[in-house]
Amino acid sequence: GAVVSQHPSWVICKSGTSVKIECRSLDFQATTMFWYRQFPKQSLMLMATSNEGSKATYEQGVEKDKFLINHASLTLSTLTVTSAHPEDSSFYICSAMTGFEELFFGEGSRLTVL
Amino acid sequence: DAKTTQPTSMDCAEGRAANLPCNHSTISGNEYVYWYRQIHSQGPQYIIHGLKNNETNEMASLIITEDRKSSTLILPHATLRDTAVYYCIVRVDDYKLSFGAGTTVTVRA
Repeated sequence: GAVVSQHPSWVICKSGTSVKIECRSLDFQATTMFWYRQFPKQSLMLMATSNEGSKATYEQGVEKDKFLINHASLTLSTLTVTSAHPEDSSFYICSAMTGFEELFFGEGSRLTVL
Repeated sequence: DAKTTQPTSMDCAEGRAANLPCNHSTISGNEYVYWYRQIHSQGPQYIIHGLKNNETNEMASLIITEDRKSSTLILPHATLRDTAVYYCIVRVDDYKLSFGAGTTVTVRA
């Protein structure tokens, strides 16, 4: 099936620094990608919808200045966690849709903020 | 999105069929039913989706009732590697998926 790849798969950073996570669709073009966050023992929570060539749409309660999303090409969306703090430590997952109504997810990126 | 109701957990014997129920009584005519599973510390894996008709692929079968208010995911021959959290999701055209708590399936040898 279609492959969605995330990088890095895990990252540790100091409090106050910014971290960028990449999401790539490897064998298809994705005009829309989605970013989720998952805390331990909880389900996935949708953060934002990333649209190629336009601004991202954020879910209620998600700070757009905190979580910067850029979708500059049909195969790449990036999520930047700015001025990260320990409470931002989480599992971040992206997804992308193929042209056959199938939505595939990346492997996830585990962020730990010290 | 229509809400879904799934059992919190279920056990299944290795080699037997696993039948995972899902209720979505408020589903509307244009909403698809999607099934994903998540193995610990990995991203969700797409299993199958459907609108009205039953569907089958190499992983599973999806049985949707005629009134579309419930569905069943069938794993024909469960293996230990099928142990995961299984999510039943309904979505509208914008492809945003809202995840519930899912069903934790444990396959036992």
